[in-house]
Amino acid sequence: EAEVAQSPRYKITEKSQAVAFWCDPISGHATLYWYRQILGQGPELLVQFQDESVVDDSQLPKDRFSAERLKGVDSTLKIQPAELGDSAMYLCASSSRTLTDTQYFGPGTRLTVL
Amino acid sequence: AQSVTQPDIHITVSEGASLELRCNYSYGATPYLFWYVQSPGQGLQLLLKYFSGDTLVQGIKGFEAEFKRSQSSFNLRKPSVHWSDAAEYFCAGGYSSASKIIFGSGTRLSIRP
Repeated sequence: EAEVAQSPRYKITEKSQAVAFWCDPISGHATLYWYRQILGQGPELLVQFQDESVVDDSQLPKDRFSAERLKGVDSTLKIQPAELGDSAMYLCASSSRTLTDTQYFGPGTRLTVL
Repeated sequence: AQSVTQPDIHITVSEGASLELRCNYSYGATPYLFWYVQSPGQGLQLLLKYFSGDTLVQGIKGFEAEFKRSQSSFNLRKPSVHWSDAAEYFCAGGYSSASKIIFGSGTRLSIRP
């Protein structure tokens, strides 16, 4: 069964450092999502791509976060500089195209900022 | 503003007992509603979804949910829980095919032997 791949699974960094997360969606899925999940809360959408275009990045802190999906396949989420409050699980999901299509989630990257 | 509320933070149920997890939504139009499960160290898995039609939705792993417009609810049910059902459950909603999903804060389910 196809899965969404994410790496790394765990990342520990010091504040003010740069970090990057990678996501490889299920093959053929046009829509890719990055979520942030703070401990004890539900996932919050950071950015949504349709192919290589950003559809929604209204909750992305653009002063420090960036996301790209250059060829409309895999994607990278970057934080620079990292802050203590960025400690969270970062989840990637993909779906065929629209909201009515099932979103398949990857295992996530657990970020700890010291 | 659209929102999804899960009033119960933590629920403990005996193995073999029935389960109901509550979810309330606040949307102007008929929402798209979802239930996801997250086991420790794993990503979220879709249990079921509702878009329109029959208000009783069947999902995987023996779960079902009922959409009640009059109560703005979409509660998840299972007639008999198994120890493997212990996990975090998230209700989520959107209001059109172009909108994003908003997740509730989750309900942690523990199973008593």
